[in-house]
Amino acid sequence: AQKVTQAQTEISVVEKEDVTLDCVYETRDTTYYLFWYKQPPSGELVFLIRRNSFDEQNEISGRYSWNFQKSTSSFNFTITASQVVDSAVYFCALRARGSQGNLIFGKGTKLSVKP
Amino acid sequence: DSGVTQTPKHLITATGQRVTLRCSPRSGDLSVYWYQQSLDQGLQFLIQYYNGEERAKGNILERFSAQQFPDLHSELNLSSLELGDSALYFCASSVEGALNYGYTFGSGTRLTVV
Repeated sequence: AQKVTQAQTEISVVEKEDVTLDCVYETRDTTYYLFWYKQPPSGELVFLIRRNSFDEQNEISGRYSWNFQKSTSSFNFTITASQVVDSAVYFCALRARGSQGNLIFGKGTKLSVKP
Repeated sequence: DSGVTQTPKHLITATGQRVTLRCSPRSGDLSVYWYQQSLDQGLQFLIQYYNGEERAKGNILERFSAQQFPDLHSELNLSSLELGDSALYFCASSVEGALNYGYTFGSGTRLTVV
């Protein structure tokens, strides 16, 4: 079965703090893709990153970084020096052959960044 | 603007009614996916079309149906609406159904059933 678990339902931080959002996935497929999406209060889903199962290099994009570890089936997302505009719900998702190629989403983590 | 257009943005209707949600995929994308986001179920895959043909089905109710037209736009039809159908409905598109292609999501249609 394909599954994505985001154990943190809500996180609240103060501006400029670093925060890590956890994502653990389950799949028996050897080829799969992992995604992070951001859903701000306005409601749209904004694509942040896609990572394939063969590339375990960590990625950094500005204040965002992602740590992919196949050994622990985790794909964690860190925001450095958080800002109020980072307040949103963040979803981790998995796409694998076993899911008919469709996205399996976690339940999301609501991040609140307070000034 | 993601390039995926969903209309209408908001829809309020009564129980028992039927509505149609429309999605125009990003130019060049052949696959269209529909997802439902509700408070209790989260984001769930409903159905996928690829170049006019149904490719995969998820947790789509029998009261719901969809189609993709020759111009590649898609419509999601929801009938005999119930209060529990109130949700945010997203359409996404991709170049094709292959795993290594990313999705582009539209901004969603918020359906409220009263």
